[in-house]
Amino acid sequence: EVQLVESGGGLVQPGGSLRVSCAASGFTVSTSYMSWVRQAPGKGLEWVSVIYSGGRTYYADSVKGRFTISRDNSKNTLYLQMNSLRVEDTAMYYCARDGSSGWHHVNWGQGTLVTVSS
Amino acid sequence: QSALTQPRSVSGSPGQSVTISCTGTSSDVGGYSYVSWYQQDPGKAPKLMIYDVSKRPSGVPDRFSGSKSGNTASLTISGLQAEDEADYYCCSYAGSHTFGVFGGGTKLTVL
Repeated sequence: EVQLVESGGGLVQPGGSLRVSCAASGFTVSTSYMSWVRQAPGKGLEWVSVIYSGGRTYYADSVKGRFTISRDNSKNTLYLQMNSLRVEDTAMYYCARDGSSGWHHVNWGQGTLVTVSS
Repeated sequence: QSALTQPRSVSGSPGQSVTISCTGTSSDVGGYSYVSWYQQDPGKAPKLMIYDVSKRPSGVPDRFSGSKSGNTASLTISGLQAEDEADYYCCSYAGSHTFGVFGGGTKLTVL
């Protein structure tokens, strides 16, 4: 059974940094396409970043240059390093295993809440 | 403002059918056959219901169906059940610069 468990969220001041993690089981992160999707409180979904099985990474314009997606194959874990955080980055951050073709998010974690506030 | 436009709310009675629209442009919905739909219950993670416009993952009831015409995609739920009450989001691939764009979400109320 595929499981995704996020952790690492919390309260951080504007301009600060935070790394959130997504521990996977039931499949191999390194051979999968993996995304981060966020949802601000009471708002809709926003795609944030993707890492392909070959290692290429891509970002939404809203986080480009500030966020970095990565994975640790030995731990079967996905990460999102978030720097220069802004109030508007406040959201629930979900990791997702993507389909092997096309563009869709097949399995989702329960999310981890990141709050950026002074 | 979301890239894709969905109605804020729709409603229907048990047993009826409802359709949720998702309007984009030729750069996203109209340009690719990569539209997906997600169901989200309050406080829960989204769940994939439809992908590649009209394909259903295993375990999703066949009451859920998807289609696309031009720049507008649609999710139809037939034989509405109380458990279908949730928020629904559409998503489309939008090319190798923008990647994924979501709609603003539609709240489905089962009367």
